[in-house]
Amino acid sequence: DTGVSQDPRHKITKRGQNVTFRCDPISEHNRLYWYRQTLGQGPEFLTYFQNEAQLEKSRLLSDRFSAERPKGSFSTLEIQRTEQGDSAMYLCASSLGWGRTEAFFGQGTRLTVV
Amino acid sequence: QQQVKQSPQSLIVQKGGIPIINCAYENTAFDYFPWYQQFPGKGPALLIAIRPDVSEKKEGRFTISFNKSAKQFSLHIMDSQPGDSATYFCAASRGNQFYFGTGTSLTVIP
Repeated sequence: DTGVSQDPRHKITKRGQNVTFRCDPISEHNRLYWYRQTLGQGPEFLTYFQNEAQLEKSRLLSDRFSAERPKGSFSTLEIQRTEQGDSAMYLCASSLGWGRTEAFFGQGTRLTVV
Repeated sequence: QQQVKQSPQSLIVQKGGIPIINCAYENTAFDYFPWYQQFPGKGPALLIAIRPDVSEKKEGRFTISFNKSAKQFSLHIMDSQPGDSATYFCAASRGNQFYFGTGTSLTVIP
């Protein structure tokens, strides 16, 4: 499967714990996005990478959230001191860039904070 | 502030019907308008997309109509099938970020 891959698919954690999610984009794609989706809503933008550079962050991305893409390939999203309000589906998407705008999403990581 | 407004919230049609989902935007800087289909527990899948220099685009049973002056675009699904039952999201992009509508839950009755 050469699509966007996310791991884990599901994560249940206790409030106050740290969690980390991984995203492997489509191999030649240089743009990578993180989105958050809550039930009954559309995805909301969190952050965006062009290769290894994090170029844009939403105000939704509080200081408890950090994302990295160290070698311009896979990316990680870490949430520190999780809160119940962090419960959501975290989606990763990638696009080729260079004028090709089509973005392809992974299956998402469903986070439940109890 | 919702950058892209989508309606209706839900839609029920008979098999073979033509559901129409509408979206409106305000920011004239948007230059790419995709539609995504999402099944429960899955990520959104790109269905079809349009740029503002064309007024219509067809791919298989899916058609986007685009009205630049009205800042509106819509998705039509021809000969709808029960397998089309899903949530549909419109989106608008200005390059580095996608703004999504709130989604339309479509049910196609056999």
